Amino acid sequence: DAMVIQNPRYQVTQFGKPVTLSCSQTLNHNVMYWYQQKSSQAPKLLFHYYDKDFNNEADTPDNFQSRRPNTSFCFLDIRSPGLGDAAMYLCATSLTSSYEQYFGPGTRLTVT
Amino acid sequence: GQSLEQPSEVTAVEGAIVQINCTYQTSGFYGLSWYQQHDGGAPTFLSYNALDGLEETGRFSSFLSRSDSYGYLLLQELQMKDSASYFCAVRDRDDKIIFGKGTRLHILP
Repeated sequence: DAMVIQNPRYQVTQFGKPVTLSCSQTLNHNVMYWYQQKSSQAPKLLFHYYDKDFNNEADTPDNFQSRRPNTSFCFLDIRSPGLGDAAMYLCATSLTSSYEQYFGPGTRLTVT
Repeated sequence: GQSLEQPSEVTAVEGAIVQINCTYQTSGFYGLSWYQQHDGGAPTFLSYNALDGLEETGRFSSFLSRSDSYGYLLLQELQMKDSASYFCAVRDRDDKIIFGKGTRLHILP
């Protein structure tokens, strides 16, 4: 089945230690999104790719970076995680001008 | 600025009908979507309205009034498994999908 896959599902990192979260998709969607979601809050868009075009949200901290080496893969790099970065990170995909986003299962990040 | 307003919590009884409202103010509007999210899970798509009126999908219906910048999700014949958070979301002119803060639906037996 076509799907959005996130690895790992759970990630523990130390304060200040760089971490990379990955997302892959078999849907061949051209738009990919990264969201941060904290407990009982809405998903907060960090950035999205429209094909290879990177679109950063104005309030996304510089600590967060992203790479999309090809259509299928997208990575979220957190250069120096702080305690406030502990959250669920959701990857999603969609087709251009499509109303529906397909979400991966998320990676729950813990910062110790 | 861009904002979507929805109630933070709603409580209903199993078997009943519940309506979750959403008002929005966004730069450009290309449709209102609804997503369901169970605790610990990822959001899943429920419905979409681009034009005014009611869209029905099984027990769930969604309504849109573009002139009022308003929509709602209607859940009928509530089941315990419907206990979840429900998010309205708008696609704006930059192709971003902006989520409301979510409505936590509690269902009583």
